[in-house]
Amino acid sequence: AQSVTQLDSQVPVFEEAPVELRCNYSSSVSVYLFWYVQYPNQGLQLLLKYLSGSTLVKGINGFEAEFNKSQTSFHLRKPSVHISDTAEYFCAALRGSNYKLTFGKGTLLTVNP
Amino acid sequence: DVKVTQSSRYLVKRTGEKVFLECVQDMDHENMFWYRQDPGLGLRLIYFSYDVKMKEKGDIPEGYSVSREKKERFSLILESASTNQTSMYLCASSHTGNTIYFGEGSWLTVV
Repeated sequence: AQSVTQLDSQVPVFEEAPVELRCNYSSSVSVYLFWYVQYPNQGLQLLLKYLSGSTLVKGINGFEAEFNKSQTSFHLRKPSVHISDTAEYFCAALRGSNYKLTFGKGTLLTVNP
Repeated sequence: DVKVTQSSRYLVKRTGEKVFLECVQDMDHENMFWYRQDPGLGLRLIYFSYDVKMKEKGDIPEGYSVSREKKERFSLILESASTNQTSMYLCASSHTGNTIYFGEGSWLTVV
């Protein structure tokens, strides 16, 4: 079965520092990968996705992620975070022929002044 | 832009009540989903539907049922609400093998 592991449940950082949120997936077949962001009391918003092609994917709000097939990872990065990036971030995987996303348990990113 | 609309953002219901959570999408997506989100547990799939009148159980279907009479609408039904169903419920929709889009969520409190 597909599984997604987010290695950190909480990541505190200072404003303007770089951040990396880690995600590993388990699948030997082709898989689509996603990062979603959830701001307080809101639904999930798509941040970026990897379907095929270039392994470096750029998303909204200055985030990017790199698909690494050999390490089965899809880590999310931002070179300089803002207070407004404080939110919960979810990594998710979808098999191409399947309907259902498998989610990680989420990483709470807290950006401190 | 894709829009997934959940009609109720905040509900308070009594134990034993029948509860309906409604969701509508405007992108002609064939797939629709209901998730439940709880702290520390992430998102868990309750039910999904891949076509009108078609449904499949997700990971935690107990205590829930669903209805999809029209392509754009997917309803989650709690036949007899219990306090352990207090949670945030998220509806989503997609084309098969593509991005899943989420609604804003419905906060349900069962007292």
